[in-house]
Amino acid sequence: EAQVTQNPRYLITVTGKKLTVTCSQNMNHEYMSWYRQDPGLGLRQIYYSMNVEVTDKGDVPEGYKVSRKEKRNFPLILESPSPNQTSLYFCASTTGLAGRNEQFFGPGTRLTVL
Amino acid sequence: KQEVTQIPAALSVPEGENLVLNCSFTDSAIYNLQWFRQDPGKGLTSLLLIQSSQREQTSGRLNASLDKSSGRSTLYIAASQPGDSATYLCAVNAGNEKLTFGTGTRLTIIP
Repeated sequence: EAQVTQNPRYLITVTGKKLTVTCSQNMNHEYMSWYRQDPGLGLRQIYYSMNVEVTDKGDVPEGYKVSRKEKRNFPLILESPSPNQTSLYFCASTTGLAGRNEQFFGPGTRLTVL
Repeated sequence: KQEVTQIPAALSVPEGENLVLNCSFTDSAIYNLQWFRQDPGKGLTSLLLIQSSQREQTSGRLNASLDKSSGRSTLYIAASQPGDSATYLCAVNAGNEKLTFGTGTRLTIIP
């Protein structure tokens, strides 16, 4: 089954404790991205990757890091989480054919930073 | 900067009625527009993708239209059912794969 998976689905942590949220897709998509969803603000892009070893900032990259060492995986790293990073996070992927194709989203990771 | 607006923020209708959800965007230079459904606490399920060259797309009881020049899209749901209750999001793609989302319309179908 074609899908985007994220782990963990729920995470409660404390300020400053480094964490990684994993994202994996099995559709051989070139393009992957991370979004956060906050009430009243909608979904906003954090980082994206056009292909292996190619990443760039989205609209709200502060406090986040990403890596793309393999085509299928795109982990989101919070080196020193803060309470304002409490949010619902989504990973997405697409073939990246100049905006022609449907984007697929993972199930979401609900992060709470105390 | 692209801005996407969905009005109303919430909508309640009796079961069986047809309804229309609205989405407007400020920059008409888009490649496609995608409608999603989000259930509480869940991920985004893609409903329809409509390319900039298309006027509409249909899937079952759903029909999405696109008027790129006026910056508007509508999602028409026929014969609504309680299972249609969810938040509906529209998102535009300007060709760089980044989706700009509206804040959604929370739909409640009353049995």
